[in-house]
Amino acid sequence: AQRVTQPEKLLSVFKGAPVELKCNYSYSGSPELFWYVQYSRQRLQLLLRHISRESIKGFTADLNKGETSFHLKKPFAQEEDSAMYYCALNRSKAAGNKLTFGGGTRVLVKP
Amino acid sequence: NAGVTQTPKFRILKIGQSMTLQCTQDMNHNYMYWYRQDPGMGLKLIYYSVGAGITDKGEVPNGYNVSRSTTEDFPLRLELAAPSQTSVYFCASSPTRVSSYEQYFGPGTRLTVT
Repeated sequence: AQRVTQPEKLLSVFKGAPVELKCNYSYSGSPELFWYVQYSRQRLQLLLRHISRESIKGFTADLNKGETSFHLKKPFAQEEDSAMYYCALNRSKAAGNKLTFGGGTRVLVKP
Repeated sequence: NAGVTQTPKFRILKIGQSMTLQCTQDMNHNYMYWYRQDPGMGLKLIYYSVGAGITDKGEVPNGYNVSRSTTEDFPLRLELAAPSQTSVYFCASSPTRVSSYEQYFGPGTRLTVT
């Protein structure tokens, strides 16, 4: 069965410190993975997708098929990075692009 | 563009009542989705649609119904509300271009069933 696990419910870091959000998945096919973010009083929105191999707002995420992980990293956290972060797996590319979400990690960046 | 809009923002229902959560998108997206998010949990897919007239069940469809008569609208119907349906409901839409799988979310509807 497809599953996405985010082991940390809360990450608290100081401004300027590195932050890493863990995401592990189980999927029998070729995975497509995403990170979505929800800032306070805003909608859930796409942060980045593994297929683009891009850096958004200083965040990067590398798909590691051997470890079935898609961890999100930022070398120097900023206060505006405080938000809820969700890792998501596209489990049905052929029919509907249905996403399976992890439970989310709340990031708190302290000044 | 307004994107994805949902109404109402909040609602309190009594057990056994029914209601419809409205969702509209103005981006001409073929794919639309309904999710629920329980406290401390991730989003779970209730129903989805790949186009007008086509709907299918997601992970947690029991107690809900949907219809998709137009590309823009994807209402979610709760029949005989139960406390277990207390949740935040999100509607989302997505274009169908192969290279783009981003889902665009609405602001959510917070539903309490007492």
